[in-house]
Amino acid sequence: EIVMTQSPATLSVSPGERATLSCRASQSISSNLAWYQQKPGQAPRLLIYGASTRATGIPARFSGSGSGTEFTLTISSLQSEDFAVYYCQQYNNWLLFTFGPGTKVDIK
Amino acid sequence: QVQLQESGPGLVKPSETLSLTCTVSGGSVSSGNYYWSWIRQPPGKGLEWIGYIYYSGSTNYNPSLKSRVTISVDTSKNQFSLKLSSVTAADTAVYFCARVTRYGSGSSNYYGMDVWGQGTTVTVSS
Repeated sequence: EIVMTQSPATLSVSPGERATLSCRASQSISSNLAWYQQKPGQAPRLLIYGASTRATGIPARFSGSGSGTEFTLTISSLQSEDFAVYYCQQYNNWLLFTFGPGTKVDIK
Repeated sequence: QVQLQESGPGLVKPSETLSLTCTVSGGSVSSGNYYWSWIRQPPGKGLEWIGYIYYSGSTNYNPSLKSRVTISVDTSKNQFSLKLSSVTAADTAVYFCARVTRYGSGSSNYYGMDVWGQGTTVTVSS
């Protein structure tokens, strides 16, 4: 079983600043990684798939990088609407999905 | 655009079976590039993938829930459904249905859950 970890658990950032979120897999998952944003009371929204490709309609301030076991989601300049919880998700060769525990981005 | 809507009882008794349906509008469950998935989120906690079904009926489940989960599809109604048996309080959660899209082609396929329902709260209690 592949275990996903995310750090930090909470990230306090001022609007306009850069946010860097980390996700780590317990074994190599190539680029089989997606990132989601979830706001309170809402369903998650797909931000990134294939570790680095933005989903349709996602602003360019969101970028993903990494492969293997180490991944990063960067929000270049935080807007008020970006304060949320962010989850990474991996899938293996058998298309079994696992979510990370999430990183909450809140206002500093 | 494609929309998903969950429906089903909001309260289920312990040891009984939880049953939910996801209705797809604006698109077809029979489209070959998609899998149809269920995800849940206990109160105040993270997301847990439950499983998915392909329009052909092939399924894949989270190993931790596999013995209790059945996902089925009804292409005539453009719906897919979740059954979770022998529920306990630990199964109390918001249940989401979602579309899994396959991006790319050939050997470079990537997947993402790009369309979600709004979620439905299911409480397990006597």
